[in-house]
Amino acid sequence: GNSVTQMEGPVTLSEEAFLTINCTYTATGYPSLFWYVQYPGEGLQLLLKATKADDKGSNKGFEATYRKETTSFHLEKGSVQVSDSAVYFCALSQGGGSNYKLTFGKGTLLTVNP
Amino acid sequence: DAGVIQSPRHEVTEMGQEVTLRCKPISGHDYLFWYRQTMMRGLELLIYFNNNVPIDDSGMPEDRFSAKMPNASFSTLKIQPSEPRDSAVYFCASSQGQGVEQFFGPGTRLTVL
Repeated sequence: GNSVTQMEGPVTLSEEAFLTINCTYTATGYPSLFWYVQYPGEGLQLLLKATKADDKGSNKGFEATYRKETTSFHLEKGSVQVSDSAVYFCALSQGGGSNYKLTFGKGTLLTVNP
Repeated sequence: DAGVIQSPRHEVTEMGQEVTLRCKPISGHDYLFWYRQTMMRGLELLIYFNNNVPIDDSGMPEDRFSAKMPNASFSTLKIQPSEPRDSAVYFCASSQGQGVEQFFGPGTRLTVL
């Protein structure tokens, strides 16, 4: 079945540091890939997505590129801020007809210190 | 739009009691999802609906859990009887169409004593 593996946290960085959170996936065919973010006490919000190989999703300074050859979708940001402190989830969706659902990784807690 | 609405936001109950969680999806969305989040197991999909019809309930842990969607604007997740291991944050999400963004509610934090 489908699965998503993302790097174990927690990750602690200083403000303005470079961020990478690794994500790899297992799926047949061509899934869509997502990064969701969960701020403390809130639900998940879509951060960015990519629907086909070599697509780059970007939002709020975050980027991730859909790499089919390495089955990866790593999240990067060049300069993190304290406000980026949150839990980040990598996810994939795959399905046809009425069989559709998201498969999430376990999440990576990011803490950014001033 | 108000987004996905869940109630209550917090629920504390005693073992053996019935618990009902409620969700109002975003108007016009045809998919509705129920998730459970715990530290040990992460985010798990429990069940999802398409046009009010349950499509996949393979994530529902036991017969103590049931979910309904009587109309396009309302869904419930019921646990009867509740147990301490059911303590978790339960999220409802909705989307329009397949393979697109799911919009999550703020969650219900359930504590079963």
